[in-house]
Formats: sequence, C-alpha cells, structure tokens
Amino acid sequence: DAMVIQNPRYQVTQFGKPVTLSCSQTLNHNVMYWYQQKSSQAPKLLFHYYDKDFNNEADTPDNFQSRRPNTSFCFLDIRSPGLGDAAMYLCATSRGWANSPLHFGNGTRLTVT
Amino acid sequence: KNEVEQSPQNLTAQEGEFITINCSYSVGISALHWLQQHPGGGIVSLFMLSSGKKKHGRLIATINIQEKHSSLHITASHPRDSAVYICAGGSQGNLIFGKGTKLSVKP
Repeated sequence: DAMVIQNPRYQVTQFGKPVTLSCSQTLNHNVMYWYQQKSSQAPKLLFHYYDKDFNNEADTPDNFQSRRPNTSFCFLDIRSPGLGDAAMYLCATSRGWANSPLHFGNGTRLTVT
Repeated sequence: KNEVEQSPQNLTAQEGEFITINCSYSVGISALHWLQQHPGGGIVSLFMLSSGKKKHGRLIATINIQEKHSSLHITASHPRDSAVYICAGGSQGNLIFGKGTKLSVKP
C-alpha cells in the first residue's frame, strides 16, 4: 500500500522546458518535503510545507517552485530546467517536525537533455 | 566538514556477518533518523530515535546523546540488506543528511 506516491517515476525534459513533478500522500500528514539528490550525494532539502505554511531553503534556486493545493498533494515546478538540475527528486511526509518518522516516495528521476 | 558524518563510506560483508555503521553529528538534534535507500532511489525509514536503543528484526539502532553518536547494527546480514544506509539528524523540519554508507553483502 503505497502511502507516498510520486509521479512520474522517470521524467525526461528538454533544457529550458518547464516540468512539474507530483507527490501525493494518503497519510494525512502535516508536513511535506521536497529533496533533491544527485548521484552519490546526500539528499538536499529544497523546501517544505507545514500545512499551508511554505518554507524555502535559503540556497534553493528561484528556478524551483512548489505548490500544495491541499493536504494530499504537493507539486515541484522547475521553471527552466538546466543540465545541472538532473537528479532524483524525493518527496517525503511527516506528521510533525523532524522528530516524527519520515515517509518517502520512490522518487522521480529527472533527466534534462 | 559535514555536520553529519558517517563511516564507513563503503562496506562489503559476507552473508551472516555482523555489521556496524556509525554516525556522528555536530549539530543539536531532536531526533536521529536511520534510512535505507535501495538502487532505484526509494528511501525507507528504519528508525527514528532520540535516546537509547531500538530494535526491529535484525536491525538495532543506538544513540548516545552526550557523545553525539549513533550506530546501526545488522545481525546475520543477508544479500537483501545490500543498500545505502543514511543517517539524518535535525529538528523543526531541517534534517541534515549524512552522505550514506553503501553496504554490499555477498552470498
């Protein structure tokens, strides 16, 4: 029973062509996170929502935006993908802050051509 | 210097061996997470702990708050345990991840 679902599993986009990645959850968790993970590196937090409150990491490029229209869904928009944005994008949820267990989706692997 | 350091970076073991992965952190945390990432990307949360010790099947996680150190142990390792193990610590939605330990268990 997948509880955090990311779509698509693989996404190929062209340089500069906007792309949207989606994440949905059936856990009714307050917090949803978006992480970027490049090859052989640790996941890097891009932003997170606590309910509707949006928190952007200071070093997240402006090229990355997010939307959370309701509790269940969260989207990552990359307005003008560059070659350096190719990575695995991971969505995670938790009931509260970081002292609550995290639940991850399977990730979306983004390729930029 | 990363605020969450793991060792070793890579670990190869024979099936059945007892495995220990270490994590040291230099930041204040409210909880320490151990995560497992298989090839293909999906991450599974193994443990979240803020003190003491937790056990789940063949996996044991311990944390020493005073020493800012945590360990993940795998007893009777199996090839299906092959994965990257990541520790992450933090608070208030600001988790800092270690770079992971790549474990390969040979039959």
